[in-house]
Amino acid sequence: GIQVEQSPPDLILQEGANSTLRCNFSDSVNNLQWFHQNPWGQLINLFYIPSGTKQNGRLSATTVATERYSLLYISSSQTTDSGVYFCAVGVNRDDKIIFGKGTRLHILP
Amino acid sequence: NAGVTQTPKFRILKIGQSMTLQCTQDMNHNYMYWYRQDPGMGLKLIYYSVGAGITDKGEVPNGYNVSRSTTEDFPLRLELAAPSQTSVYFCASKGAGLLYEQYFGPGTRLTVT
Repeated sequence: GIQVEQSPPDLILQEGANSTLRCNFSDSVNNLQWFHQNPWGQLINLFYIPSGTKQNGRLSATTVATERYSLLYISSSQTTDSGVYFCAVGVNRDDKIIFGKGTRLHILP
Repeated sequence: NAGVTQTPKFRILKIGQSMTLQCTQDMNHNYMYWYRQDPGMGLKLIYYSVGAGITDKGEVPNGYNVSRSTTEDFPLRLELAAPSQTSVYFCASKGAGLLYEQYFGPGTRLTVT
């Protein structure tokens, strides 16, 4: 099955810093999402981005499907950005959606 | 719309007991999924369904069963609970095809002792 690798596994930053999270995948995908899991365990949709670039406030994401990776950018980090960021992908051979192991982000005040 | 709802929120089971985790969505989504998340880990796919009457195994199906008799409901059954099934269980749904995003329920925290 498809493999999803996220890096880095852990990231500690000072408030106000910028960060780039990466998601590599091993097969062609027709579905790619970024989620934020907050400290209370809730999964929040950030982007649906199987290809191209999207922006939402301080967050943006780019997926280069032909090179099998996606990037999530967080600018001017705030403490509320802390949590785990997951990449989830689906392929058109089957209907599974598989998650990476996540990047744990901790923003220090 | 309530979105995806899950019950119960918390449950403690003794080894060998069985239970059903409930999941309901009101968005008329064809696709539904069950994941488990162990502490400090990512989400693993247990079972999924592409429509009423159709279910398929995910990455970690052993010890679980599912059914999908309606579009709205996708219950997950644990038979003979084991400590290894201690986890947080998430249900998700999405529209038909691969060109739609998933929406998640709030999760059920299950402890087996």
